[in-house]
Amino acid sequence: QKEVEQDPGPLSVPEGAIVSLNCTYSNSAFQYFMWYRQYSRKGPELLMYTYSSGNKEDGRFTAQVDKSSKYISLFIRDSQPSDSATYLCAMKIQGAQKLVFGQGTRLTINP
Amino acid sequence: DAGVIQSPRHEVTEMGQEVTLRCKPISGHNSLFWYRQTMMRGLELLIYFNNNVPIDDSGMPEDRFSAKMPNASFSTLKIQPSEPRDSAVYFCASSLGMNTEAFFGQGTRLTVV
Repeated sequence: QKEVEQDPGPLSVPEGAIVSLNCTYSNSAFQYFMWYRQYSRKGPELLMYTYSSGNKEDGRFTAQVDKSSKYISLFIRDSQPSDSATYLCAMKIQGAQKLVFGQGTRLTINP
Repeated sequence: DAGVIQSPRHEVTEMGQEVTLRCKPISGHNSLFWYRQTMMRGLELLIYFNNNVPIDDSGMPEDRFSAKMPNASFSTLKIQPSEPRDSAVYFCASSLGMNTEAFFGQGTRLTVV
């Protein structure tokens, strides 16, 4: 079993829809949770990060962490075609350098 | 700053040949990571350095893979001999100390035929 599980999709939704992306994990020691966005033929770039449990909002993006369920989510409101990309969750243990990534979900927003 | 710079962007080589991938981290960053990305396995950490010292190379798949960081501004990942199953996109990333954000380069797309 992988430490971090993420449905690779693909996921296709119409413009303006609310998108929900999710990851589950098995290591209860993970404390930092991140979402990276990767456009085609580019490197991943950090979109959001949260520490421990709770919600974090940044514009149209909301990240949620539920440590009791070992489940994290990224919500995208009012989705735009420019949001089309692969979204990767990543996690790490406090004090550690190693990031463990999910497989990534390929998202397409249709105009 | 130009960000993390990787070269070459694309590499096509024949099985059995030596391949060297290069990375220049962001100036001032003291942690450097090498990742490999494939459709099947996603993004996997191969090795990372802290202050030019290899800290964890448990992700290096075989002895055919080696990585060096001779100074704070340069690292290489070498595959010798290369095999078709090494075909992937290889990313280099750097970060500042224990800061959670790792900045990725554009990647090197390696094809071994």
